[in-house]
Amino acid sequence: DQQVKQNSPSLSVQEGRISILNCDYTNSMFDYFLWYKKYPAEGPTFLISISSIKDKNEDGRFTVFLNKSAKHLSLHIVPSQPGDSAVYFCAASVGGNQFYFGTGTSLTVIP
Amino acid sequence: DSGVTQTPKHLITATGQRVTLRCSPRSGDLSVYWYQQSLDQGLQFLIQYYNGEERAKGNILERFSAQQFPDLHSELNLSSLELGDSALYFCASSMGGSYGYTFGSGTRLTVV
Repeated sequence: DQQVKQNSPSLSVQEGRISILNCDYTNSMFDYFLWYKKYPAEGPTFLISISSIKDKNEDGRFTVFLNKSAKHLSLHIVPSQPGDSAVYFCAASVGGNQFYFGTGTSLTVIP
Repeated sequence: DSGVTQTPKHLITATGQRVTLRCSPRSGDLSVYWYQQSLDQGLQFLIQYYNGEERAKGNILERFSAQQFPDLHSELNLSSLELGDSALYFCASSMGGSYGYTFGSGTRLTVV
């Protein structure tokens, strides 16, 4: 049973525009969320996090939004750059221990 | 270099065989997690160890087992291998709590 879902396997965006990656979860007990970025032949690397006490967290070009009532989070990248092309995974946990990952969204930023 | 070391990077073996994947966590991290990523699948949690003890179990098959040694490195043992076990196996480590994980670069297992 997939508790964290990323329903868009891929996304293409023009350089300079906004990329929006979406993630839905089913477990209302999840209280900590992460986004990871993965390049080919490398392990996922941590990008940004948000806890359930917030609805927004920003780090440079990356902003994560959390809508607890909808059990939905999104990652916004503005402006998108070709180096952002990668697979993005969202992950959720209860208490920050075991994280459940989505299936990933492959982002392509077109120069 | 993330600080989490996984060996080997690639492994090709035949069905029915047994393999061992090795992971050295980042210095200071007590928790080790194993994940499996099959084609078109997300990262499926297999098992977690904390300071040598099993802490949580996910979708790990009975043919698979793991352990964490006193020096905190961990091994994932996969036996009676089947074609469907072909996947990327990632190890991650953390200090615990809400710090997220640091992943290794993975071991690509191909069962032929």
